Amino acid sequence: GENVEQHPSTLSVQEGDSAVIKCTYSDSASNYFPWYKQELGKGPQLIIDIRSNVGEKKDQRIAVTLNKTAKHFSLHITETQPEDSAVYFCAASMSGGSYIPTFGRGTSLIVHP
Amino acid sequence: NAGVMQNPRHLVRRRGQEARLRCSPMKGHSHVYWYRQLPEEGLKFMVYLQKENIIDESGMPKERFSAEFPKEGPSILRIQQVVRGDSAAYFCASSSTGVPTYEQYFGPGTRLTVT
Repeated sequence: GENVEQHPSTLSVQEGDSAVIKCTYSDSASNYFPWYKQELGKGPQLIIDIRSNVGEKKDQRIAVTLNKTAKHFSLHITETQPEDSAVYFCAASMSGGSYIPTFGRGTSLIVHP
Repeated sequence: NAGVMQNPRHLVRRRGQEARLRCSPMKGHSHVYWYRQLPEEGLKFMVYLQKENIIDESGMPKERFSAEFPKEGPSILRIQQVVRGDSAAYFCASSSTGVPTYEQYFGPGTRLTVT
């Protein structure tokens, strides 16, 4: 089955800096890669996703890149703000069928004001 | 437009009791997924249901756990004879019947504590 590794487990940055979270996956058939943000005591919220037919996607301060050959994808947050502090999860799955995503273990991002 | 709703938000049960967790998907969504999250870990898939059907239960323990999604009403995750190891946050997510069906939207979770 699919295996998703996520690094780092904790990331501490100063407000205004950039933050990068990296994930690798094992199943080359995976073609959908969502990223979720989970604030304390809440459920994960989908913040951006990418499909394997594109290499990069951007939404304001958030961008995701995908390297299918190397089987890794990354989340980039620019101009970080304290409200970006949360746990971020990557996931990988195959579209079609029952679609069951495999999640990484999460990255705790702390943005210091 | 209400999101995914789960109740209760917190549930305390003694060992041996039953726990019932409810999930109402987003309006227009008929796919429901249940996940378990242990402290400082990612989400582990348990079961995927559509109305009146279990599509994939490969992540759900064979004993004590069951799930349903009836024609009317919320999806229910039922844990019988709970043990301390069942203490976790349980999240459900829903997705639409349209294409693409990739995007899953999560509820706020039910935090189960077994004493």
